[in-house]
Amino acid sequence: SQKIEQNSEALNIQEGKTATLTCNYTNYSPAYLQWYRQDPGRGPVFLLLIRENEKEKRKERLKVTFDTTLKQSLFHITASQPADSATYLCALSSSGNTPLVFGKGTRLSVIA
Amino acid sequence: DAGVIQSPRHEVTEMGQEVTLRCKPISGHDYLFWYRQTMMRGLELLIYFNNNVPIDDSGMPEDRFSAKMPNASFSTLKIQPSEPRDSAVYFCASSKPGQGAETQYFGPGTRLLVL
Repeated sequence: SQKIEQNSEALNIQEGKTATLTCNYTNYSPAYLQWYRQDPGRGPVFLLLIRENEKEKRKERLKVTFDTTLKQSLFHITASQPADSATYLCALSSSGNTPLVFGKGTRLSVIA
Repeated sequence: DAGVIQSPRHEVTEMGQEVTLRCKPISGHDYLFWYRQTMMRGLELLIYFNNNVPIDDSGMPEDRFSAKMPNASFSTLKIQPSEPRDSAVYFCASSKPGQGAETQYFGPGTRLLVL
């Protein structure tokens, strides 16, 4: 069966360091992989999308990589800040018109 | 743009009662999704619509759950009768294929507690 795993439920890092979150998947051939941020009591908010033929995508302090051979995506936040503390969800879809399948998320805490 | 609107934001009800959750998608979006989020299972897709037509309801847990989309600006998710295990946060999301449409825009969610 299809499975999406995010490396850990929680990750604590010090302010200023780079946070790296992992998303692994099995029995899936995604065309798109997305990362969302979710704050407590709120809905997920889209951050970045990367396509299967792209290796890397950047947006400000965020960077996403997508390795279809390893079936893995890495999500990096450089120069992390306490305001980056949230739960980060990865999501896959096999096409632009099929629904997303979400991982359970990693709760990131950036400590000042 | 007001974003996706959901109501109510919180609902507390007793087992056996009917619960109706409401969603107004972003204007112009032709896909609408209903999700349920729990600590144990994460974010699960229940059903989604395209142009008001249900496309896939395989995620709806039981016959007690039903969803409708009578027009492009309104959808409901109904649970009848409700059970304590239905307690969760229910999210509605919308998207529009063709314009970065793989991105979904989520509402604030409805936190449901069934006693």
